Amino acid sequence: AQTVTQSQPEMSVQEAETVTLSCTYDTSENNYYLFWYKQPPSRQMILVIRQEAYKQQNATENRFSVNFQKAAKSFSLKISDSQLGDTAMYFCAYGGSNYKLTFGKGTLLTVNP
Amino acid sequence: DTAVSQTPKYLVTQMGNDKSIKCEQNLGHDTMYWYKQDSKKFLKIMFSYNNKELIINETVPNRFSPKSPDKAHLNLHINSLELGDSAVYFCASSQGLAGGRGETQYFGPGTRLLVL
Repeated sequence: AQTVTQSQPEMSVQEAETVTLSCTYDTSENNYYLFWYKQPPSRQMILVIRQEAYKQQNATENRFSVNFQKAAKSFSLKISDSQLGDTAMYFCAYGGSNYKLTFGKGTLLTVNP
Repeated sequence: DTAVSQTPKYLVTQMGNDKSIKCEQNLGHDTMYWYKQDSKKFLKIMFSYNNKELIINETVPNRFSPKSPDKAHLNLHINSLELGDSAVYFCASSQGLAGGRGETQYFGPGTRLLVL
């Protein structure tokens, strides 16, 4: 079974600075997808970014980018120019052949003014 | 226009009662899901339906029964509610089957259930 580990339960960053959230996963599959979802205090789950495992190039979405290291099974999220609205719980998720997403336990990110 | 909607948003009830949570998506998606998020924010899938067929049924007490009357709706009925059922329940949908096909899941706003 696949597992997803987020080793940082909480992090904080100053507004306008850069922060990196860690995620590692365990799988024996070769083809899969990885996702970062954001859950702000409003509780709504929002997709931030996704990565296809067969693509070498790291995904980017505006201020959000990932560092995908397939051999190391690592999938970190970098947030540049952090904004107050980035304060949220961030979940890393794995999508494989079993038609479901497996989520990590989340990292609570606080952006301080 | 809300893409994935759930009713009610909050539900407070007594132990032993039966309750339902409704979910509707207007995205034209084929697949819908129910997730449970516990007090520690851990998110775990409960059920998944694709074209009204049950695809995923995780280890969930049989007091929980999903029902999909059509592709746009997936309701969750819970019998004999227990204290441990208190959680936030999220409905989600995707165009096709999620997971290894990379389909993005779109989540509803969640239903906070409190069992007293």
